[in-house]
Amino acid sequence: NAGVMQNPRHLVRRRGQEARLRCSPMKGHSHVYWYRQLPEEGLKFMVYLQKENIIDESGMPKERFSAEFPKEGPSILRIQQVVRGDSAAYFCASSLGRTGTPYEQYFGPGTRLTVT
Amino acid sequence: AQTVTQSQPEMSVQEAETVTLSCTYDTSESDYYLFWYKQPPSRQMILVIRQEAYKQQNATENRFSVNFQKAAKSFSLKISDSQLGDAAMYFCAYRSRGGSEKLVFGKGMKLTVNP
Repeated sequence: NAGVMQNPRHLVRRRGQEARLRCSPMKGHSHVYWYRQLPEEGLKFMVYLQKENIIDESGMPKERFSAEFPKEGPSILRIQQVVRGDSAAYFCASSLGRTGTPYEQYFGPGTRLTVT
Repeated sequence: AQTVTQSQPEMSVQEAETVTLSCTYDTSESDYYLFWYKQPPSRQMILVIRQEAYKQQNATENRFSVNFQKAAKSFSLKISDSQLGDAAMYFCAYRSRGGSEKLVFGKGMKLTVNP
């Protein structure tokens, strides 16, 4: 059973470009979470999605950031007009949601975004 | 809002010895989950152990055990018979049982294992 897949693993963007990060959850998981890890920091929650729905986006910056989890295909975290402060590791996690016990989140390997 | 504090940024232990990592948290909720995650140099987040707040018994997973003190809001991780592969960043995390499913992480602690 494949784990959570993220791609790309490394992404370099110039200031002002767009970054698209992809996450494929574990088989059977319909809940996806995105977290950001700045250097020397713990992970910070960004957004929680189910298929075609955003459940909690309380951690998302108000501008330039968006996320989706379509009916088909991976979840996408999109960062428009990237700035140097967006450089970080972005982790995706998936879970069974409330039907699972105790709905543990399984993490992908992360995407390291570098903005030059 | 819930917060998680790991006050020791770094620790070291000799191989085969025991080490305890501390974590405190703040919440007004009575039912929740607590987790310890390990992040080795590969940066993959690996779940080490979890504790359900309504359970009085401390969780154990092989060489890993926790000391959960609900009244003190303390959740420490004990690693017995430390191995070189235990060297990593360790993060304590909190999750509400109801409501949002987001994990709230501490800043982490770097564990070094000396041969």
